[in-house]
Amino acid sequence: DAGVIQSPRHEVTEMGQEVTLRCKPISGHDYLFWYRQTMMRGLELLIYFNNNVPIDDSGMPEDRFSAKMPNASFSTLKIQPSEPRDSAVYFCASSSMGGRTAGYTFGSGTRLTVV
Amino acid sequence: GQQVMQIPQYQHVQEGEDFTTYCNSSTTLSNIQWYKQRPGGHPVFLIQLVKSGEVKKQKRLTFQFGEAKKNSSLHITATQTTDVGTYFCAGPYESSGDKLTFGTGTRLAVRP
Repeated sequence: DAGVIQSPRHEVTEMGQEVTLRCKPISGHDYLFWYRQTMMRGLELLIYFNNNVPIDDSGMPEDRFSAKMPNASFSTLKIQPSEPRDSAVYFCASSSMGGRTAGYTFGSGTRLTVV
Repeated sequence: GQQVMQIPQYQHVQEGEDFTTYCNSSTTLSNIQWYKQRPGGHPVFLIQLVKSGEVKKQKRLTFQFGEAKKNSSLHITATQTTDVGTYFCAGPYESSGDKLTFGTGTRLAVRP
């Protein structure tokens, strides 16, 4: 298995532009998580899905952020409009049984820079 | 809110010395997981402990889960340069379902 695949690896965009991050989880994993990592705030959970359904989006910072999972093999995280404070590394992770019973496999992340 | 704190934030050791990081949660965890993130990399799952007081070993790494399921530790014996990275504990709170709350992390540097 190729693991969790994220694209792009790096994204530099101007403030106000729309940004879309993509994730392909491990086949057969029913849980998908989006995390954001910054020096100041560490690893923060933004949203997670179970069987393609959003379960908890309480970590999504504001309405500028949205996430979808149209099928079991693809998810997107969209920021519109982007702001400099959104600069961070965004990780997607998947899990076979959720955090209560199994560990997560993380993708390599997308490093987002908003200028 | 619910928090998971780790100490120390940073430790610099001589190769061959031991290293320990401590993880403390404000509330009871269903289990504790440990991850390692190399510089510029992504978190990689190391281990999960479930039972109160559980101890597990992986070669030079020893993991413990506290009796109250609110704290944990990771001890590395005789560190090597390959141990460099940030170590995170993480756990699902009993009330939070399947989502993991990650600790603040301990960054380990090793002098060769």
